[in-house]
Amino acid sequence: AQSVSQHNHHVILSEAASLELGCNYSYGGTVNLFWYVQYPGQHLQLLLKYFSGDPLVKGIKGFEAEFIKSKFSFNLRKPSVQWSDTAEYFCAVRVFSGGYNKLIFGAGTRLAVHP
Amino acid sequence: DVKVTQSSRYLVKRTGEKVFLECVQDMDHENMFWYRQDPGLGLRLIYFSYDVKMKEKGDIPEGYSVSREKKERFSLILESASTNQTSMYLCASSPGTVSQPQHFGDGTRLSIL
Repeated sequence: AQSVSQHNHHVILSEAASLELGCNYSYGGTVNLFWYVQYPGQHLQLLLKYFSGDPLVKGIKGFEAEFIKSKFSFNLRKPSVQWSDTAEYFCAVRVFSGGYNKLIFGAGTRLAVHP
Repeated sequence: DVKVTQSSRYLVKRTGEKVFLECVQDMDHENMFWYRQDPGLGLRLIYFSYDVKMKEKGDIPEGYSVSREKKERFSLILESASTNQTSMYLCASSPGTVSQPQHFGDGTRLSIL
């Protein structure tokens, strides 16, 4: 069955540290890839997405993600985090099979950034 | 700016009650979604609607039904609430050309006692 794994459930960083959140999926066919973010007390919002083309995708607020097809991964990165990046981050993968498609979310990673 | 409004932020109901969660979007979006969000499980799709009166089951439709009588409103119904339906419920919408949820509401935290 298709699944999305976010290996780190909780991450704690100091400000200015670099961030990498892992996302792996299990599906060998065509995929679209997404990262969503939920700041404390706010609604979920799209951070970035990959459909095709350049595997390095840049999103809002200095985030980027790299699609590595051979590793079935779409890790989220930011060179220098800020306290305001404290949030929960969800990876999601849309899988396509024939005329059917399905969006699968990972379990989420809670990031806490300390000043 | 797109707004997806869920009628309640917090709701407490009793086992066996029929519960209605309401969602309204103001951007004339064709697609509307209901998810539940549970710790360690991420978001799971309950139901999806791509047009008025049209609906499709998601991954976990059991115990739920939906209603879309008007384009802007998508209601989630718990026919007979049970304690395992205690969760955060998220509504979302997107234009017909965008198949993934694009705009989310603030969520309804539902507790079933």
